[in-house]
Amino acid sequence: KQEVTQIPAALSVPEGENLVLNCSFTDSAIYNLQWFRQDPGKGLTSLLLIQSSQREQTSGRLNASLDKSSGRSTLYIAASQPGDSATYLCAPLYSGAGSYQLTFGKGTKLSVIP
Amino acid sequence: DGGITQSPKYLFRKEGQNVTLSCEQNLNHDAMYWYRQDPGQGLRLIYYSQIVNDFQKGDIAEGYSVSREKKESFPLTVTSAQKNPTAFYLCASGRQRSSTDTQYFGPGTRLTVL
Repeated sequence: KQEVTQIPAALSVPEGENLVLNCSFTDSAIYNLQWFRQDPGKGLTSLLLIQSSQREQTSGRLNASLDKSSGRSTLYIAASQPGDSATYLCAPLYSGAGSYQLTFGKGTKLSVIP
Repeated sequence: DGGITQSPKYLFRKEGQNVTLSCEQNLNHDAMYWYRQDPGQGLRLIYYSQIVNDFQKGDIAEGYSVSREKKESFPLTVTSAQKNPTAFYLCASGRQRSSTDTQYFGPGTRLTVL
């Protein structure tokens, strides 16, 4: 069974800093890996999707990398802003019971201090 | 205005009562999902449906039931058999025809058992 670990569980940084969030997963037989953002009491918003054949994906100040063989992904946030404060969840996609399924980590709660 | 809607946003239930959470999507997605999220935890899959009139149990289906009579709708019933139903419930939908397809999430329903 796929297990996903995210480190650190919480992170507080001053505005403007670059930061890295880490995600590891136990089963490397994945199709893709997604990073989501969740604001308090809200649903999830997809940030980046990296295919298993890709090494990285970029969107604005966000860059996600994937090392499938070692079961690791990182989300790099450049020049952090207070609006980046949220919980970030990673979720590898695998095939289970005839369908594509996501397994979620517990998330990293990010606070960017003005 | 396309998207996924969940209602109600907050729901209170007395012990021993069944309660139904609504999820509607107008994205023309075939697949729909129900997840449960507890504080500081990742999302856990309750049920999913890949097509109308068909659904499958996820990792924590006990004490829950669903129906998929229409493509747009995937209601979740939390029965009295669910021992610890207080949680945040998220509905999602997606095309899920290939590994490039992501899931889109609703705003969630917070259920509290009194």
